Amino acid sequence: DIQMTQFPSTLSASVGDRVTITCRASQNIETWLAWYQQKPGKAPRLLIYKASILGSGVPSTFSGSGSGTAFTLTITNLQPDDFATYYCQQYNGFSRTFGPGTKVDVK
Amino acid sequence: QVRLVQSGAEVKKPGSSVKVSCRASGGTFSKSAVSWVRQAPGQGLEWMGGIVPMFGRGNNAQKFKDRVTITADKSTSTAYIELNSLTSEDTAVYYCALNDDSLTGYYCVHWGQGTLVTVSS
Repeated sequence: DIQMTQFPSTLSASVGDRVTITCRASQNIETWLAWYQQKPGKAPRLLIYKASILGSGVPSTFSGSGSGTAFTLTITNLQPDDFATYYCQQYNGFSRTFGPGTKVDVK
Repeated sequence: QVRLVQSGAEVKKPGSSVKVSCRASGGTFSKSAVSWVRQAPGQGLEWMGGIVPMFGRGNNAQKFKDRVTITADKSTSTAYIELNSLTSEDTAVYYCALNDDSLTGYYCVHWGQGTLVTVSS
């Protein structure tokens, strides 16, 4: 199975900050990568798919980049609604694995 | 708009089985890539397996190879996951999710509300 790692595991930030979350795959997944946002007690929400394509209704303050084994999710001008946990997911091949998550909390 | 409605919470004994359903509306279910994802209390997301109803055969994560069966009924636009030999470590919220264009891959655009499965003696 392809293993996914994310760092940092926790990120403390302030409203208006630019934050970057990194996700790495244990083998080449081309651009078969998605990012999700999850708030406590809620189902996840798709933010980005195919590494850099914004999901429907997702604000342009979110962006994704990368290919192969290294990927980033960037949030510019962090808003109060953006404090949440973020997960990457690879969907290359038959087993689709999630990263362990990055919690973005208030500094 | 696609909507996924899952069956209600379950309490099960260790060693038993549980079957959770997920009914879809508003999209083309048969061509969708349906995933099952679980989340144990305070933990991250875990992809368990998936199915494209049009093709009828699911595939599971290696960890769940022998314990999970994923099926889909195109006539009712409903997907199912059955998990056998339950232990307390299976206590989690189980989500169904789908991408209504399976050709673009097994990521999760639409999500169900989640079903809490509690395994306790």
